[in-house]
Amino acid sequence: ETGVTQSPTHLIKTRGQQVTLRCSSQSGHNTVSWYQQALGQGPQFIFQYYREEENGRGNFPPRFSGLQFPNYSSELNVNALELDDSALYLCASSLVGGMKTQYFGPGTRLLVL
Amino acid sequence: DQQVKQNSPSLSVQEGRISILNCDYTNSMFDYFLWYKKYPAEGPTFLISISSIKDKNEDGRFTVFLNKSAKHLSLHIVPSQPGDSAVYFCAASGPTTDSWGKLQFGAGTQVVVTP
Repeated sequence: ETGVTQSPTHLIKTRGQQVTLRCSSQSGHNTVSWYQQALGQGPQFIFQYYREEENGRGNFPPRFSGLQFPNYSSELNVNALELDDSALYLCASSLVGGMKTQYFGPGTRLLVL
Repeated sequence: DQQVKQNSPSLSVQEGRISILNCDYTNSMFDYFLWYKKYPAEGPTFLISISSIKDKNEDGRFTVFLNKSAKHLSLHIVPSQPGDSAVYFCAASGPTTDSWGKLQFGAGTQVVVTP
C-alpha cells in the first residue's frame, strides 16, 4: 500500500510569486485535505477535495486554491505569496463515507523571502 | 478561535514510566477525536482515535480517555520508550458532512523520553 506523497519537499519563493504544491493520496483514498502548519503551531485546515470538487474550506483567502484530478491526486496553488505564507504544507488523504481518520504526507516546506 | 487546546508545550518522562498528554476542547459538537505523533521533517502519523460514544480506547501501549462533560481528553503511553520522543497533536472533528474534512488541531506537546 502506497502512502501519501508530496512534492517538492522544500521550496523557496519571493513575495508576490505563485507556487504549486502536489500531493498523491494513499492508495484507495478518494478525499484529499490540505493543511498549513506554521512554526510552533498545529496544522490549520485549508480545504478538502472530493470527486474533484472543493468540499469544505477553512479560513484562508481565495488566493489559496486547489484542484483534484480523476486519479485523486491534488494540487495546492497559492498566488501573490506573502511572507506569512512561509510554513509546512501538509496533504492528508482519507476515505469518505464516515471515515474521519486522515493520513498525512511528509509535507512541503515553503519559505517566502 | 482556538477550539482545541494543549496547554502543556512540553513533557519530559523517564523511559519505562507513563506519559500523560492532555487536551481540552470548547466545541461541544465535536464527536471524534484523534492523536497524531510527529517527528521532525515528517508528516503527522495517526496514533489512535476515539468516538464520543466511548470514554476509552486502547491500542497496545496507547490509551485515550475522553471526558465529555469536562470536554477533556488524554493520551496515556505505557511504558514510554525513547522512540516515543516526538511532538503529539490532539485533533477533533465535528459530526456534519461539511466537518468531515476539517480536523482542528491543538498546538502540540513535545515529549522527551529520557533514559
